[in-house]
Amino acid sequence: DAGITQSPRHKVTETGTPVTLRCHQTENHRYMYWYRQDPGHGLRLIHYSYGVKDTDKGEVSDGYSVSRSKTEDFLLTLESATSSQTSVYFCAISKTDENEQFFGPGTRLTVL
Amino acid sequence: GQQLNQSPQSMFIQEGEDVSMNCTSSSIFNTWLWYKQDPGEGPVLLIALYKAGELTSNGRLTAQFGITRKDSFLNISASIPSDVGIYFCAGHNNAGNMLTFGGGTRLMVKP
Repeated sequence: DAGITQSPRHKVTETGTPVTLRCHQTENHRYMYWYRQDPGHGLRLIHYSYGVKDTDKGEVSDGYSVSRSKTEDFLLTLESATSSQTSVYFCAISKTDENEQFFGPGTRLTVL
Repeated sequence: GQQLNQSPQSMFIQEGEDVSMNCTSSSIFNTWLWYKQDPGEGPVLLIALYKAGELTSNGRLTAQFGITRKDSFLNISASIPSDVGIYFCAGHNNAGNMLTFGGGTRLMVKP
């Protein structure tokens, strides 16, 4: 199994509160990704990183920000959580932008 | 955003039967990936395909990269109960760093 952990694994929060999800990898892969998975929408890319301090937006980036200060950690922040951000969030990593991506176990976030 | 058309959306089969699912797109892809997701877990990579026409096996699983580069197929032979899950295809077209995912095929196996 690829060395990817996500924390927390479950979180319940209230509308308007800030939330930060963490992805940690031990593979030293350059690329890291944040996806959300919702019924009827499959996996959608939120943001990705192609190196330390290098990030870019994905398909559904509104309401989310990311940071990558170390190769091994990629943080996803919801500045002010909304109910529409209730979802399962997956982190993924890859060696290059053309290689296969490996996924973490996911974080289930509920915004009340 | 762009999505791959994956079919069927769900399948309910008898243990021991063979299974086929496919993914099609209107665009050309340079890489095709097949993942399986169990409930409450992240997708796990099953097979990666990098060349048009390529046929690759992983145990009872066989996947093919379509010759037109616009489709891919996954076959599972002699299904068993632990094959239950959702199977996703994903494609990479080298137009950026993004993978495009299919909507998934939910497989149910009756013992």
